Amino acid sequence: RKEVEQDPGPFNVPEGATVAFNCTYSNSASQSFFWYRQDCRKEPKLLMSVYSSGNEDGRFTAQLNRASQYISLLIRDSKLSDSATYLCVPRGGDTGTASKLTFGTGTRLQVTL
Amino acid sequence: GAGVSQSPSNKVTEKGKDVELRCDPISGHTALYWYRQSLGQGLEFLIYFQGNSAPDKSGLPSDRFSAERTGGSVSTLTIQRTQQEDSAVYLCASSLQTSGGNNEQFFGPGTRLTVL
Repeated sequence: RKEVEQDPGPFNVPEGATVAFNCTYSNSASQSFFWYRQDCRKEPKLLMSVYSSGNEDGRFTAQLNRASQYISLLIRDSKLSDSATYLCVPRGGDTGTASKLTFGTGTRLQVTL
Repeated sequence: GAGVSQSPSNKVTEKGKDVELRCDPISGHTALYWYRQSLGQGLEFLIYFQGNSAPDKSGLPSDRFSAERTGGSVSTLTIQRTQQEDSAVYLCASSLQTSGGNNEQFFGPGTRLTVL
């Protein structure tokens, strides 16, 4: 099983829609999680950090299900500017690898008029 | 303040040549990472430096790849005898390394390497 698995998409949604992506991870010791956003031909940038059961920031909500080892990202009221690839990043629980992040391949979102 | 910078932004080289890619991390960040991203693919971890500790080289794909970090700041990724499959965007990131901290990685704009 891959360390991080994401549906590559693309998810094509109309402006204003609600869309959710799931990400599954294999390391049950993962302590925290990040969602990064990567625009086309740009570097990834942190969107949200998740340390407990979830986090909410405006239109973005991340939820963590430790029992099933998945984390989701929900985007409400999608904007054209939300079009990007969303990368799921679990942080390892092992002290020695706590800072070595394993990035998923990302889920591509395309918001249309 | 200044972010992570990388140079060159683009590099075109011929197969068999050596290349050096440079990364200037954010001042004060003790951790530095190199990744590469092939077209349409995810980020592939290459190497990780943390302070004065031995680097984690577990992601380097072959012995043609090496990296140094001098003085705990600037890092250079060297690829010897480049091959066409080395063509990718090479991304550098840095982070503060604090116990229990966020440890958000800040990425540079990358170096786009094309091996002809």
